[in-house]
Amino acid sequence: DAGITQSPRHKVTETGTPVTLRCHQTENHRYMYWYRQDPGHGLRLIHYSYGVKDTDKGEVSDGYSVSRSKTEDFLLTLESATSSQTSVYFCAISRPGTSGSYEQFFGPGTRLTVL
Amino acid sequence: GNSVTQMEGPVTLSEEAFLTINCTYTATGYPSLFWYVQYPGEGLQLLLKATKADDKGSNKGFEATYRKETTSFHLEKGSVQVSDSAVYFCALSDQNTNAGKSTFGDGTTLTVKP
Repeated sequence: DAGITQSPRHKVTETGTPVTLRCHQTENHRYMYWYRQDPGHGLRLIHYSYGVKDTDKGEVSDGYSVSRSKTEDFLLTLESATSSQTSVYFCAISRPGTSGSYEQFFGPGTRLTVL
Repeated sequence: GNSVTQMEGPVTLSEEAFLTINCTYTATGYPSLFWYVQYPGEGLQLLLKATKADDKGSNKGFEATYRKETTSFHLEKGSVQVSDSAVYFCALSDQNTNAGKSTFGDGTTLTVKP
């Protein structure tokens, strides 16, 4: 357990509205990630961060933005939600392990439904 | 680039059956290999890992051996239980990876029936 919480855990919203999901960690890890998980697609990386105010795009970043103003918080914003963004969203951190590799630890997820 | 290919599911077994989930990888560096498990309604959690060739990772009765010659990291368990029903993800990470990112397989859903 790397002290990762996500809020909200469930949200239903309407098409066209902005939505912000929050990820909070308590262990000052440098690297943080947002993924979405959909049936048949596994995990897909949306955005990631390698430090405060340092973020970059993942493989499915269109329609999403992120911000990281503090080490412990990583926010994911859907600028104008669409039904295709209905998904389960996971936040993760990575922690250095042995041999220079990194282990990832995941939050509990946010289930988002866009009507 | 790095990639992970794992056995397509779903896999359905009876309790006490033997489990194998295949995983092969492609990597440019010297990766560490991982299996993560996701129980219903939860996030992924690390199940086991191996950091160099011929290492065996083990946890909760699951094992996987890092085979460099076949670029594989197959997950095995000798006798599955209903509580092992979950989605299993194979993954890799190496020291050349930008920002500590991991590469994940697509996941294999395991259902164990009593």
